[in-house]
Amino acid sequence: DQQVKQNSPSLSVQEGRISILNCDYTNSMFDYFLWYKKYPAEGPTFLISISSIKDKNEDGRFTVFLNKSAKHLSLHIVPSQPGDSAVYFCAAANNAGNMLTFGGGTRLMVKP
Amino acid sequence: SQTIHQWPATLVQPVGSPLSLECTVEGTSNPNLYWYRQAAGRGLQLLFYSVGIGQISSEVPQNLSASRPQDRQFILSSKKLLLSDSGFYLCAWSVQGVGYTFGSGTRLTVV
Repeated sequence: DQQVKQNSPSLSVQEGRISILNCDYTNSMFDYFLWYKKYPAEGPTFLISISSIKDKNEDGRFTVFLNKSAKHLSLHIVPSQPGDSAVYFCAAANNAGNMLTFGGGTRLMVKP
Repeated sequence: SQTIHQWPATLVQPVGSPLSLECTVEGTSNPNLYWYRQAAGRGLQLLFYSVGIGQISSEVPQNLSASRPQDRQFILSSKKLLLSDSGFYLCAWSVQGVGYTFGSGTRLTVV
């Protein structure tokens, strides 16, 4: 049973436009959510996180939105850049610092 | 500052040969340690995690084993590799209140 799902395996966006990556979860005990970015042959790197007490967290071009009632979160990248092309994983935990459950990842391709 | 070292970066091993991948963490004490595998075109699969020396929990029954002989050392092993063990192996650490930090990964190809 996948508790964290990223239903879109890939997404293609034009440079300068908005990229929206989606993630759904089923475990209502999750209260801390993170996004990681992964380039080929490298380890994932932390991008942005959000606690369930918030519905939005922004860091530069990256914004994460959390809809607790829908058990849905999304990552917005504006404007998208070719260097953003990577696989993005969402992850969830039932407490910051507890074990993370990862989604299957979405491959983002930003075209120049 | 905290750093995580994982080696080797790439490895090609014949079927039936043993495996030993090592991960060490610097700059932190008593971290939680994790081994993940990413098979080609797939997500991150948790293989093992450890909350302390000698404490190993396995998430998926498989041909692999893990050990934590020291607080900041985590080892992934196999006695006999299978073709299906090919993949990208990642070590990660965390402490309370902080998300995971991943190593740079090992690309294992079993031939």
